[in-house]
Amino acid sequence: GAGVSQSPSNKVTEKGKDVELRCDPISGHTALYWYRQRLGQGLEFLIYFQGNSAPDKSGLPSDRFSAERTGESVSTLTIQRTQQEDSAVYLCASSLGVAYEKLFFGSGTQLSVL
Amino acid sequence: RKEVEQDPGPFNVPEGATVAFNCTYSNSASQSFFWYRQDCRKEPKLLMSVYSSGNEDGRFTAQLNRASQYISLLIRDSKLSDSATYLCVVKGSGNTPLVFGKGTRLSVIA
Repeated sequence: GAGVSQSPSNKVTEKGKDVELRCDPISGHTALYWYRQRLGQGLEFLIYFQGNSAPDKSGLPSDRFSAERTGESVSTLTIQRTQQEDSAVYLCASSLGVAYEKLFFGSGTQLSVL
Repeated sequence: RKEVEQDPGPFNVPEGATVAFNCTYSNSASQSFFWYRQDCRKEPKLLMSVYSSGNEDGRFTAQLNRASQYISLLIRDSKLSDSATYLCVVKGSGNTPLVFGKGTRLSVIA
């Protein structure tokens, strides 16, 4: 597709389980972001990949959160031992790179931890 | 102090009204500034960039005051379709991520 694709669109899990969220950025986009948005709240920066540079992980809230990116393509956000406070929409966005700051967002993964 | 602060609103205005949103940022080294729009239960989308000289796009005008670290968005002749949350977004220099404010909610009422 032409846009940023995220899967699954919805994920319901039990407290303590691990989850993996996937993001397929727009082809050719070197920058990839993960944000979290709790209900009624703003976007919370999690992690940022830019080309082959070391990712900026400064927004990850705990060591239960990790993310990987394969080259300049797919990224996976992993949350281990999920907690109820992890419930949120997880948004992925990509852009052409540092000098191109128009972000294209995916439609997000709604995560519900019971 | 939060990096990007906005009045959360909501702003409830009648059709045709003019409404202004304000945003302040804490990092004086910030280089780029934007307004994004987010509709209910949708992803954010870029509305416009904000330049030091100010810029206008139809009914929308954005202004930047670097000395005061202040950004504004003015919407003239509000339409029902303008109802959304408006996000102020700031970027530092170099290889730094975009930082989003929490957004200001606008409801335009018939």
